Parts: sequence; C-alpha cells; structure tokens
Amino acid sequence: GAVVSQHPSRVICKSGTSVKIECRSLDFQATTMFWYRQFPKKSLMLMATSNEGSKATYEQGVEKDKFLINHASLTLSTLTVTSAHPEDSSFYICSARDPVRGLNTEAFFGQGTRLTVV
Amino acid sequence: DQQVKQNSPSLSVQEGRISILNCDYTNSMFDYFLWYKKYPAEGPTFLISISSIKDKNEDGRFTVFLNKSAKHLSLHIVPSQPGDSAVYFCAARPKNSGNTPLVFGKGTRLSVIA
Repeated sequence: GAVVSQHPSRVICKSGTSVKIECRSLDFQATTMFWYRQFPKKSLMLMATSNEGSKATYEQGVEKDKFLINHASLTLSTLTVTSAHPEDSSFYICSARDPVRGLNTEAFFGQGTRLTVV
Repeated sequence: DQQVKQNSPSLSVQEGRISILNCDYTNSMFDYFLWYKKYPAEGPTFLISISSIKDKNEDGRFTVFLNKSAKHLSLHIVPSQPGDSAVYFCAARPKNSGNTPLVFGKGTRLSVIA
C-alpha cells in the first residue's frame, strides 16, 4: 500500500528556535497533503492543507506565519514551526491520499512527530 | 460544530468478547466513512471503510455497519484481542468534495482486558 513517511519522529528544541518536519509520499505523487496536530488525549486537529506548487490553506485559528508550509514537490511537504514556544509542544501528523487509487479511498498517515519545546 | 461525533471517549472490553465502537454524523452529504486505529506516538492507520451505498462491510475480525437514516455507523471487533487496545477514530468525507481532508471524530479509547 501507499506509504507516507514523516521525519523526524521526535525532536526536542529550545524556545525561540525553528523546527522543520518533513512529510514524504514514498511510492505515489501527492498533489495535496494535510497537516494535523494532536494534543494529549484529544482528537486530530487539521491545521492546514498543503498544495504542491501553491500556497497552503490554513484552518481558522492557525497562524500561517508561525507554521510555515512548503510543498515544493509532488512527494514532499514540510512544516516549519518558527520561533517555537513550549505551547507548540505537540504531536504533529501529516497525511496524503494517492490520487491514482481514487479520491474516495483511505488517506495514509505519517508516523507523526513528537515536538517538545523546552 | 462537530460533524462527526464519537460520544464514548473510552470503552473497556474483555478479551474474546465483542467491541462495538459507535459514531454519529450530522452532515447528510457524507458518503464515505472510514475507521482508523491509533497507537500512542504513532500516526493513525487505516482499518476499514464503507461507502454510503452499502450498509455493511466486513474484513476479518472487523465489521463496519452503516445506518444512513440514523446517520450512525459502528465498528464491531470480534473477538477482541489485547493488541486491539488503541484509540479508534471515525472519519467521513463529503460527496464530490475533491481532494479535501477527512472529517474526524474525537476518538474512542478501547482497552481490551486479558
């Protein structure tokens, strides 16, 4: 099946620094990828939709200058958490759907990235 | 406004018995439904899906039932195994919505007790 790989799986950074998270579709081309955030014991919260070659679409309440998304190729989307603060500590997950398999199929998720800001 | 609702945050079931996870939705435009399983510190993995033209889909120990008139679906796991202990998310997708994200419920934590 289609595989989405996310890197790193875990990162600890200092307050004020920036962290980049990569999401790759390994065996398919994804024109669209989605970035989610999960707080402890909470549901997946959609942050933004990443579109290859164009600007990302952010959900209400998500700061686009804080969470920079770049989808420069059909297999890679990156999420950069800029000037990270402890409240940005969370579990970030990306997903993508294989368009060849059809839009009405399952979305594949990356392994997630646990970000801890100290 | 929660379009996909999983009203039970947690469920405990004895090993070997049936686990029934419930999900309700409000958007009548949803026509494709999915269940995902998630372990801590991992991304969700797809379990099973059902299209609105069906009322049942079965895959091994997992069966999803869809009641369109009640806007309700359920996931049955039988027999339940300790390895099934995880958070289960119900998700839905509207008809003709292009490559838009799925709408997720808040999840139900299933604990299967040996």
